[in-house]
Amino acid sequence: QKEVEQDPGPLSVPEGAIVSLNCTYSNSAFQYFMWYRQYSRKGPELLMYTYSSGNKEDGRFTAQVDKSSKYISLFIRDSQPSDSATYLCAMSQPGSGNEKLTFGTGTRLTIIP
Amino acid sequence: NAGVTQTPKFQVLKTGQSMTLQCAQDMNHEYMSWYRQDPGMGLRLIHYSVGAGITDQGEVPNGYNVSRSTTEDFPLRLLSAAPSQTSVYFCASSYSMVAGATDTQYFGPGTRLTVL
Repeated sequence: QKEVEQDPGPLSVPEGAIVSLNCTYSNSAFQYFMWYRQYSRKGPELLMYTYSSGNKEDGRFTAQVDKSSKYISLFIRDSQPSDSATYLCAMSQPGSGNEKLTFGTGTRLTIIP
Repeated sequence: NAGVTQTPKFQVLKTGQSMTLQCAQDMNHEYMSWYRQDPGMGLRLIHYSVGAGITDQGEVPNGYNVSRSTTEDFPLRLLSAAPSQTSVYFCASSYSMVAGATDTQYFGPGTRLTVL
């Protein structure tokens, strides 16, 4: 079993819809949670970064962490065609840095105009 | 400010050939790393460096060599290419490599490598 599981999709939703992207994990030591966005044929770029549990909001994006369920989510409100990309979750535990990041496999999202 | 640059963008090799993937950053970042991205596998760390002259192995280092002679450059060498090394390779950098904390990584555009 992988430490981080992510539904690969693809996920297609109409423009303006609310999108929910999710990852589950098995390592209860994970405390740092990230979402990266990767456009086709580009490198990933950091979208959201949260520590431990709770919500974090940035414009149309909300990252949610539920450590009791070992489940993290990224919500996109008022989705736009420019949000079409692959979304990767990543996580790490205290005492480790970027060299111990564990990535999900990514969910491909398409927003239909 | 170009960020993280990688060359070449595409490469086709025959089994047994060697080559070097180039990576450079102009942000004066100490930490640099190489990942490979394969379908269904996510990003996996190959090698990383916390500063000039210091490198270490990641999750999948076999078949790859690195060196870091300057802060800006971090080349990845394939010694004897194998079909299993067909992948998309990403270089990344970040400002610091603080133990116990993660730092925002900036990724390059990737090199798409095919080994026949």
